[in-house]
Amino acid sequence: RKEVEQDPGPFNVPEGATVAFNCTYSNSASQSFFWYRQDCRKEPKLLMSVYSSGNEDGRFTAQLNRASQYISLLIRDSKLSDSATYLCVVIRMDSSYKLIFGSGTRLLVRP
Amino acid sequence: EAGVTQFPSHSVIEKGQTVTLRCDPISGHDNLYWYRRVMGKEIKFLLHFVKESKQDESGMPNNRFLAERTGGTYSTLKVQPAELEDSGVYFCASSQDSPRRSGNTIYFGEGSWLTVV
Repeated sequence: RKEVEQDPGPFNVPEGATVAFNCTYSNSASQSFFWYRQDCRKEPKLLMSVYSSGNEDGRFTAQLNRASQYISLLIRDSKLSDSATYLCVVIRMDSSYKLIFGSGTRLLVRP
Repeated sequence: EAGVTQFPSHSVIEKGQTVTLRCDPISGHDNLYWYRRVMGKEIKFLLHFVKESKQDESGMPNNRFLAERTGGTYSTLKVQPAELEDSGVYFCASSQDSPRRSGNTIYFGEGSWLTVV
């Protein structure tokens, strides 16, 4: 079983739609959580960190449920430019420099 | 400011040959990492340098892979001899401090795409 699990998608949505991605992690020692974005054949780039209280950055909202070991990302008012793969990433308490990636969820936003 | 740069961007080699990938981190970043993504799999950690020292090489798949960071600046990752299953994209990344600390982001290079035939 993978340590970080994501629905691979693709999620195909019209512009303006709201879309939610889910991620679960299996190691209870996971301490820090992030969403990265990766465009086709490009490098991963940090989208946002995920805090226990939940956090928002413009159209993007991230939530963390430590009890369920579950992370989510909500994108409101989808834009064509949001089309990308969204990677759920965790860092364990015992390894503060190592990113552990999920396989990613692909998003396609159509006109 | 220049980001993380990697060379070559693409490489096609035959099974059994040697390939050396180079990474130049962001200036001033003591922490340098190698990750890779092979076909159909998630991005996985290979190793972590702090300056010239290997802090964690737990992700290195086998002894055909050798990473160095002489002088604590750029790093190389050598695969010798290359096997078919080594095909994938190799990402280098760097950071000033731990990504767990607020404000310390890991920045990735665009990757070196390796195809072993």
